[in-house]
Amino acid sequence: DTEVTQTPKHLVMGMTNKKSLKCEQHMGHRAMYWYKQKAKKPPELMFVYSYEKLSINESVPSRFSPECPNSSLLNLHLHALQPEDSALYLCASSQDRWGRTQGKTQYFGPGTRLLVL
Amino acid sequence: AQSVTQLDSHVSVSEGTPVLLRCNYSSSYSPSLFWYVQHPNKGLQLLLKYTSAATLVKGINGFEAEFKKSETSFHLTKPSAHMSDAAEYFCVVSGSNFGNEKLTFGTGTRLTIIP
Repeated sequence: DTEVTQTPKHLVMGMTNKKSLKCEQHMGHRAMYWYKQKAKKPPELMFVYSYEKLSINESVPSRFSPECPNSSLLNLHLHALQPEDSALYLCASSQDRWGRTQGKTQYFGPGTRLLVL
Repeated sequence: AQSVTQLDSHVSVSEGTPVLLRCNYSSSYSPSLFWYVQHPNKGLQLLLKYTSAATLVKGINGFEAEFKKSETSFHLTKPSAHMSDAAEYFCVVSGSNFGNEKLTFGTGTRLTIIP
């Protein structure tokens, strides 16, 4: 099973709302990723978790707050977003050999399409 | 440092004709190379992956790619296009030697299939 699931599929929120995106995988992967993808562009890395610890933060604004409660789950908490944050948010996971993910395939979920009004 | 160049932003082919999507890369390390496909409003699906075991890599749905080190290329091909192949294709390189390295994505090639 190479499935990564994401909920919700679609989300509309106002700029004062607080919402969360959820991602789950049961492949035993210990690296999990959040990407942001704008229309007609490649995905841009936001965060990487390795063994449930934040490994990479690509200078993402603090209105995005990731959380990895266990090895299967990854959340992205959203607060006070701006209209320009509207995008497809993709979660991915991969194997991780004690902090090394080089060459490991990343498996992507279907994404959450976010619209900020 | 690593980079990926997808040479065509848009490719159109007739159904049943061959597909060629071009990708050139640069990497300071022995790279791992991937092709992902993204259908409209969907996530990314892995088509195939090169990790130095064999230079000709076969993937899903009849796609294959050949790693050519001398040309730093990893072009994606399919002998006969199908309507369901219409999608965005990303060439991706992974090449650092340690740590949680980041994937480097090409800018994508949109494949259109003409009936």
